[in-house]
Amino acid sequence: AQSVTQPDIHITVSEGASLELRCNYSYGATPYLFWYVQSPGQGLQLLLKYFSGDTLVQGIKGFEAEFKRSQSSFNLRKPSVHWSDAAEYFCAVGPMEYGNKLVFGAGTILRVKS
Amino acid sequence: EAGVTQSPTHLIKTRGQQATLRCSPISGHTSVYWYQQALGLGLQFLLWYDEGEERNRGNFPPRFSGRQFPNYSSELNVNALELEDSALYLCASTEDGSSYNEQFFGPGTRLTVL
Repeated sequence: AQSVTQPDIHITVSEGASLELRCNYSYGATPYLFWYVQSPGQGLQLLLKYFSGDTLVQGIKGFEAEFKRSQSSFNLRKPSVHWSDAAEYFCAVGPMEYGNKLVFGAGTILRVKS
Repeated sequence: EAGVTQSPTHLIKTRGQQATLRCSPISGHTSVYWYQQALGLGLQFLLWYDEGEERNRGNFPPRFSGRQFPNYSSELNVNALELEDSALYLCASTEDGSSYNEQFFGPGTRLTVL
């Protein structure tokens, strides 16, 4: 069965500092991988996705993620965090079959200190 | 273009009652997904409807059910409510059931069971 692990429940970074959120997945084949962001009281917004090809994926809001098959990881990065990036971030995996059911990690809450 | 909409925003029920949650997908989208975001349990896939049919179901009891209407809007029904059903219920839509499509999420319905 697919599973996603986000080992950090909370992360606090200073504004302007770099950010890396970790995500590890378990899946039998090459998965589709996603990062979503959820602000308080809001739904989920897709930051970026990986299906195939270049393992370094660029997303919105200056985020990027790198797929590393050997480590079963898909870590999210941003070189300089802004206060507006404070939110909860979810990594998700989708199976390569008809019906894109997403399996989510538990989420990482990002706090940004000024 | 309007996004995915959900109603009501908040819903308060008592144990044993029934709850009905509604979702309108983005115009032109035929697939609707339901997820439950419960405290401590993360985001879990509930149901997937495409072209009016239930295509996939998560690991939830039968008292969680729903349907999709000819205009592709969807309804989630939860019968015999239990306290642990308290959660944020998120609806997402995609253009069709292809795994390549991004899921666009609505803001959710917060269900509280007293």
